[in-house]
Amino acid sequence: GAVVSQHPSWVICKSGTSVKIECRSLDFQATTMFWYRQFPKQSLMLMATSNEGSKATYEQGVEKDKFLINHASLTLSTLTVTSAHPEDSSFYICSAQYLAAGYTFGSGTRLTVV
Amino acid sequence: AQKVTQAQTEISVVEKEDVTLDCVYETRDTTYYLFWYKQPPSGELVFLIRRNSFDEQNEISGRYSWNFQKSTSSFNFTITASQVVDSAVYFCALSEAPRDDKIIFGKGTRLHILP
Repeated sequence: GAVVSQHPSWVICKSGTSVKIECRSLDFQATTMFWYRQFPKQSLMLMATSNEGSKATYEQGVEKDKFLINHASLTLSTLTVTSAHPEDSSFYICSAQYLAAGYTFGSGTRLTVV
Repeated sequence: AQKVTQAQTEISVVEKEDVTLDCVYETRDTTYYLFWYKQPPSGELVFLIRRNSFDEQNEISGRYSWNFQKSTSSFNFTITASQVVDSAVYFCALSEAPRDDKIIFGKGTRLHILP
């Protein structure tokens, strides 16, 4: 139980275009989801917390107009990287909370902007 | 603010040796949760353990064991008789749930098990 599906696994896009990453809870309702970014050989950095039906809470230094997060249903949260640039190339991982202090992670999306 | 420190950036040991990965945390809360995750080269996070702040009992799961000491704010992870398949990056993490549900990760320790 408590499975999260993240798509796509990898994506290559041209500089200036937008990319959407989906995170879907398959067997539970996730009122809270988290988005992380991980640069090569670095840790997972929390970007934002999204709660179903409300605006996401972004961590300090994360541009909310560039990283649009939508959590319109209890099973789906999306992260859209707008006007992507090479420096946005990274590994993005979503996480969903399925109980108090219980988290399940997606398999990650490797984004390459060329 | 919550913080997790993994001072060991990279460790290499020969197969069958025991290895301990250190984790020191900071929090102002009395209720919190600690985690260890394994990240193999594929990138997917593998959950290893969750421990709440009220349970200081050490835990053993096969070759893995964890030592939680609130007095030193540490939650160390030991692999006994290491194997090549244990090679990965290991992250220690902290959540101040239920007050703050987000989970914060340490910088990770890259473990190389040499055959």
